[in-house]
Amino acid sequence: DIQMTQSPSSLSASVGDRVTITCRASQGISSSLAWYQQIPGKAPKFLLYAASRLESGVPSRFSGSGSGTNYTLTISSLQPEDFATYYCQQYYSTPLTFGGGTKVEIK
Amino acid sequence: QVQLVQSGAEVKKPGASVKVSCKASGYTFTSYGISWVRQAPGQGLEWMGWISGYNGNTYYAQDLQGRVTMTTDTSASTAYMDLRSLRSDDTAVYFCTRGRYSSSTLDYWGQGTLVTVSS
Repeated sequence: DIQMTQSPSSLSASVGDRVTITCRASQGISSSLAWYQQIPGKAPKFLLYAASRLESGVPSRFSGSGSGTNYTLTISSLQPEDFATYYCQQYYSTPLTFGGGTKVEIK
Repeated sequence: QVQLVQSGAEVKKPGASVKVSCKASGYTFTSYGISWVRQAPGQGLEWMGWISGYNGNTYYAQDLQGRVTMTTDTSASTAYMDLRSLRSDDTAVYFCTRGRYSSSTLDYWGQGTLVTVSS
């Protein structure tokens, strides 16, 4: 199974800050990497796929990059509605696996 | 619009079984599969398996093999997840999600079904 490691597990930031979350795969996944946002009590929301492609309707302040085993999610200017937990997920092979999550909290 | 609507919360005793349903609308059910993902309280996301909406082929997570069965009723555009021999660590919110293939992104999610296993 491919292990996905996210860092940090949590961070505190202010509205307007630039935030970067890192996801590392235990083997190369050829950019088969998605990101999800989960607000407490809600289902995850699909944000990006193929490491850097924005799902329709997702604000452009979200961006992704990376290749091989290392990937990042960046929020260029944090908004109040962005305080949530973010998960990466590899879809290179089954079983699908997720990172442990990064909780973005208000400073 | 694509919607996945799941059945309601369940409380089960250890050793029992639970069956969660997921009714799809807004797309051609047979063109996509359904993955099931669960989330224990305060924990991360765990993929349980996938079923094809086209032919019912399944892929299950290895540690659930033998306890989980996923099925579909294409006439009702509904997927089902049956989990047997429930244990306390099966307490979780169970989500159905749309995924075209077993290895794919999960672009739409149901609202989640809380299954509580307690004596």
